[in-house]
Amino acid sequence: EDQVTQSPEALRLQEGESSSLNCSYTVSGLRGLFWYRQDPGKGPEFLFTLYSAGEEKEKERLKATLTKKESFLHITAPKPEDSATYLCAVRGTSGSRLTFGEGTQLTVNP
Amino acid sequence: NAGVTQTPKFRILKIGQSMTLQCTQDMNHNYMYWYRQDPGMGLKLIYYSVGAGITDKGEVPNGYNVSRSTTEDFPLRLELAAPSQTSVYFCASSGTVSSGANVLTFGAGSRLTVL
Repeated sequence: EDQVTQSPEALRLQEGESSSLNCSYTVSGLRGLFWYRQDPGKGPEFLFTLYSAGEEKEKERLKATLTKKESFLHITAPKPEDSATYLCAVRGTSGSRLTFGEGTQLTVNP
Repeated sequence: NAGVTQTPKFRILKIGQSMTLQCTQDMNHNYMYWYRQDPGMGLKLIYYSVGAGITDKGEVPNGYNVSRSTTEDFPLRLELAAPSQTSVYFCASSGTVSSGANVLTFGAGSRLTVL
């Protein structure tokens, strides 16, 4: 059974204070690791897909990296508008289904 | 381009009542999903469909039913509502999995309370 664990559960940062969110996973044959952003009262919004260890993707202040056991979402010089819950999910060879972690709630104070 | 549309946005049910959450997508996606999200928890898959006429159970299917008569629509039926079904429900869709992307597009959610 695929499993995803995200840490920390919640993170408070000051504007400009860089940090990282962690996503640890166990999966039978990784077919993709996904990062989503979820704002309060809204559905998750896709950020990145990573497929193999060593891969990195960037978008504005966010950079996602992948190893064989975990992924990190690095946030550089965050702004208050980066406040959201960040969800990690994996898809294994078992099929089309995604397994989601419980998310990290990020708050960036001005 | 509307994407994934869910209705209703909010609903309060009494124990034992039934209702249908509607979901429609206009992206011609083959795959559609229903998730529930409880406070502080991740998304749990209820049911999914790989195409019209084909549905399958996810992690938490008990108390729910689905149908997929068209590519666009994927309604979720709650029979005999129970307080444990109080949650936020998200419908999602994606293109062909073989493309490798499997990027889900989510609706805005339906908040259901069972009293």
